[in-house]
Amino acid sequence: GQQLNQSPQSMFIQEGEDVSMNCTSSSIFNTWLWYKQDPGEGPVLLIALYKAGELTSNGRLTAQFGITRKDSFLNISASIPSDVGIYFCAGSSSNTGKLIFGQGTTLQVKP
Amino acid sequence: NAGVTQTPKFRILKIGQSMTLQCAQDMNHNYMYWYRQDPGMGLKLIYYSVGAGITDKGEVPNGYNVSRSTTEDFPLRLELAAPSQTSVYFCASSNGGGAVRTDTQYFGPGTRLTVL
Repeated sequence: GQQLNQSPQSMFIQEGEDVSMNCTSSSIFNTWLWYKQDPGEGPVLLIALYKAGELTSNGRLTAQFGITRKDSFLNISASIPSDVGIYFCAGSSSNTGKLIFGQGTTLQVKP
Repeated sequence: NAGVTQTPKFRILKIGQSMTLQCAQDMNHNYMYWYRQDPGMGLKLIYYSVGAGITDKGEVPNGYNVSRSTTEDFPLRLELAAPSQTSVYFCASSNGGGAVRTDTQYFGPGTRLTVL
């Protein structure tokens, strides 16, 4: 079946640093989504990507849909303490809207 | 709009007990989904529905059942709870049909279930 590999598994950074995480797939996706999950909450959509090569920003967050359609990355610039949480990538290749999720990247920010 | 709501937030079950996790959305979304999230893992799809009266299995359906009698509600049933079903359960919904994108899903706050 389809698999998503998300890396790194965890990151511990200093406030103000930039962060980069990525996902790779064993198969082609039509959509890449990036979610953030705070403790005790459900995932919240950050950025949605629908086209190969697409680069989209949401404030300090930037994500790209890889040209091969098998990868995506998320960058966070000038991290702040409220960026702490688990970041998930998710991909879709079907018309049913079913998503495959990565294992998550746990981000900790030291003030 | 309340978005996607889930009840209860927490529940402890004994082995063999049954329960229903409730999920409702007020966004008029056709598509609804149930996931489970185990510690340190991503989300695994249990069941999904593309509209009222239509449901289908996801990646990990064993031990669960669903029904979709209305657009708004999508309950998840555990018939004989087992310790392996200890997890956090998330319901999600998305638009569907025609040219509307179906894959951007919106999640509820989750139900934390412990089976002892």
